[in-house]
Amino acid sequence: GQQVMQIPQYQHVQEGEDFTTYCNSSTTLSNIQWYKQRPGGHPVFLIQLVKSGEVKKQKRLTFQFGEAKKNSSLHITATQTTDVGTYFCAGQYNFNKFYFGSGTKLNVKP
Amino acid sequence: NAGVTQTPKFQVLKTGQSMTLQCAQDMNHNSMYWYRQDPGMGLRLIYYSASEGTTDKGEVPNGYNVSRLNKREFSLRLESAAPSQTSVYFCASTWQKNTGELFFGEGSRLTVL
Repeated sequence: GQQVMQIPQYQHVQEGEDFTTYCNSSTTLSNIQWYKQRPGGHPVFLIQLVKSGEVKKQKRLTFQFGEAKKNSSLHITATQTTDVGTYFCAGQYNFNKFYFGSGTKLNVKP
Repeated sequence: NAGVTQTPKFQVLKTGQSMTLQCAQDMNHNSMYWYRQDPGMGLRLIYYSASEGTTDKGEVPNGYNVSRLNKREFSLRLESAAPSQTSVYFCASTWQKNTGELFFGEGSRLTVL
C-alpha cells in the first residue's frame, strides 16, 4: 500500500551542527507537508510542497521536494536547542488521505 | 479562538470497556481526521471525514467507529477496548482535504489495562 518512509529515526547533534531528515515514497506524491512536534505536544504544520523540484526556506530550515515527487528533505542549518522535537513528513496521493512518516526525533546538545 | 479541542485529555480503561473521544473545531473546516500515535510509528490514520455526512476508513480502522455529528464535531468510539489500543489519539482538521495544513488538537492519552 501507499507508505512514506522517513529516516533517520533519531539524530543527536551538538548545537550549531546541521541536521537533515529524509522522506521517500515508492509512488508519486501529489504534495508533501512537514510538521514539528515538541516533546509532549501536538504536531504543528511547517510547510507544504506541491511542485516538482520545489525548494522553500524558512529562516534556518530548507525544504526540498524531489523532481519525481517521490522524495523530500528537511535541512536545518546551525541547530539550536529550540529545534528539539520530532519532525514528520506527511505525503498525499491524489490529494487524498495524508500518510505520515515515522518521524525523526532531533536532540540538540547545548 | 480554540482551534481543535479534544476531550478527555487522559483516560484509563479496562479491557472490554467502551468510550468515546470527542473532537470539535471552530474553524469552519470541512475535513476532520482521527490519528493514533505510537512510539516509532508516526501518526496512523484511523478514520477521516472529508465533509459533513461522510466518513471513510484510514490505515488502522479495526476496533473503532466514528460519527461526524455535524460540521464541527467528529467523535471516535472504542466499543470494546483492547490493550493494543493504548496510544495517544489526535484529532485534526483542515479546510479541505486537498488544501493542506492539518490543525491538530492537543491529544488524548488512552491507556487500556
